[in-house]
Amino acid sequence: KNEVEQSPQNLTAQEGEFITINCSYSVGISALHWLQQHPGGGIVSLFMLSSGKKKHGRLIATINIQEKHSSLHITASHPRDSAVYICAARETSGSRLTFGEGTQLTVNP
Amino acid sequence: KAGVTQTPRYLIKTRGQQVTLSCSPISGHRSVSWYQQTPGQGLQFLFEYFSETQRNKGNFPGRFSGRQFSNSRSEMNVSTLELGDSALYLCASSLAGGPSEQFFGPGTRLTVL
Repeated sequence: KNEVEQSPQNLTAQEGEFITINCSYSVGISALHWLQQHPGGGIVSLFMLSSGKKKHGRLIATINIQEKHSSLHITASHPRDSAVYICAARETSGSRLTFGEGTQLTVNP
Repeated sequence: KAGVTQTPRYLIKTRGQQVTLSCSPISGHRSVSWYQQTPGQGLQFLFEYFSETQRNKGNFPGRFSGRQFSNSRSEMNVSTLELGDSALYLCASSLAGGPSEQFFGPGTRLTVL
C-alpha cells in the first residue's frame, strides 16, 4: 500500500462540471501539498495545507487531519484545467515529500 | 522575480557515463530539493539541501549525490548511469525548507542510451 493514494487515476469531465480529486495518506504529516503538472513537465504548486480549507479562484482544497484525507475541488471546470493533479505529503519526521500517483484530468469543451 | 531555473533542459548520455545537473533557486530561497519523475515510479524525493547542508535524502543509491553552494545554487550528480536513470529531474526551491511552499523548476529531461 502506498503511503499516499489518490483517486481517481483518470477523470474526464465536461466543461462546467464540479470536479473532486481525493488524496489519502498513512503517514504523519506537517503539510499536504496539491500540485498541477501540465504536458511538458512544468509543476505548479496550487496549495499547501496543514488544516482546514483554502480557496484560490475556482480551486478549493480541504484537509481532514483526523481522517488523513484531503480533497481538491474545481468549480466550473474549463478545458484549460486539463492537467495532472498530484498530492504530496510532507512527513513530520523530516522534510521529504511523498507523492501520490497523480490524477489525469481531461475537461472537454 | 525570476523563477527556478534548471540547466540543461535536455540531456542524452550513454550507460556508464556521469552527469551533473544544475538548479538555481529563486533569489532569497535557501532550500533546494531534488526529485526524479519516471512513468513507472512517478515522483520520488531525491534529497534536500538547506544552507549548504543536506537535510534529508531519499531511497536512492549512492550514485546519486548533490551539493549546494553558498549562493544556494545546487547541483546533483549521477555517476555510472543506467538505463533506468532516464527521467525528468526536477528541483524546487523554498524560503526555509520544511513545511513551506515549494516552487518548481522546468526540469531536466535525461535520456540514457
